Amino acid sequence: DQQVKQNSPSLSVQEGRISILNCDYTNSMFDYFLWYKKYPAEGPTFLISISSIKDKNEDGRFTVFLNKSAKHLSLHIVPSQPGDSAVYFCAASASGGGADGLTFGKGTHLIIQP
Amino acid sequence: ETGVTQTPRHLVMGMTNKKSLKCEQHLGHNAMYWYKQSAKKPLELMFVYNFKEQTENNSVPSRFSPECPNSSHLFLHLHTLQPEDSALYLCASSQVGLAPYNEQFFGPGTRLTVL
Repeated sequence: DQQVKQNSPSLSVQEGRISILNCDYTNSMFDYFLWYKKYPAEGPTFLISISSIKDKNEDGRFTVFLNKSAKHLSLHIVPSQPGDSAVYFCAASASGGGADGLTFGKGTHLIIQP
Repeated sequence: ETGVTQTPRHLVMGMTNKKSLKCEQHLGHNAMYWYKQSAKKPLELMFVYNFKEQTENNSVPSRFSPECPNSSHLFLHLHTLQPEDSALYLCASSQVGLAPYNEQFFGPGTRLTVL
């Protein structure tokens, strides 16, 4: 059973608008959440993260929100730009700072339309 | 070289072949990881090495054999693979014990095709 779920395989957004990518998780032991971006023929690139002690983290155009009671997080990109077109993966960790593999969702393919 | 590099980028092998995938990280990290990404499936953790010691084997078949000779290099030795092992194999590294926790840096991956 998938512990990290991204229920939207794809999302199309107009340039300049807000992109909202969603992620749900089931494991209450997860204490750190990350978003990765992946272009074709490249490995995933770290984008932004959030600890379970916070409910929001912001970095430029990217903001991640965490709702622990709902076991839900979302990534907001505003304004969306053509270069944001990529596959976005949500990932979670229960390591508390140790070496621990990440549990990934299947990804959401974001398409920014001009 | 910078970041995490992987060689080869593409590999085609028969089921009776033996081959190895190589990963090198130039970031001074102390933990390294192997992940597998099959079509239509999420990235799946295979192995974790922390300070050169294997700390996790995620129920991977023995036809996959990892090796970590030092904290900068990681290998995945392959033998008698099956066609269903065809996938993208990704290597990653991280610095354990240093915030932001578990931010892993990935290589570009090796696209493996088993005939």
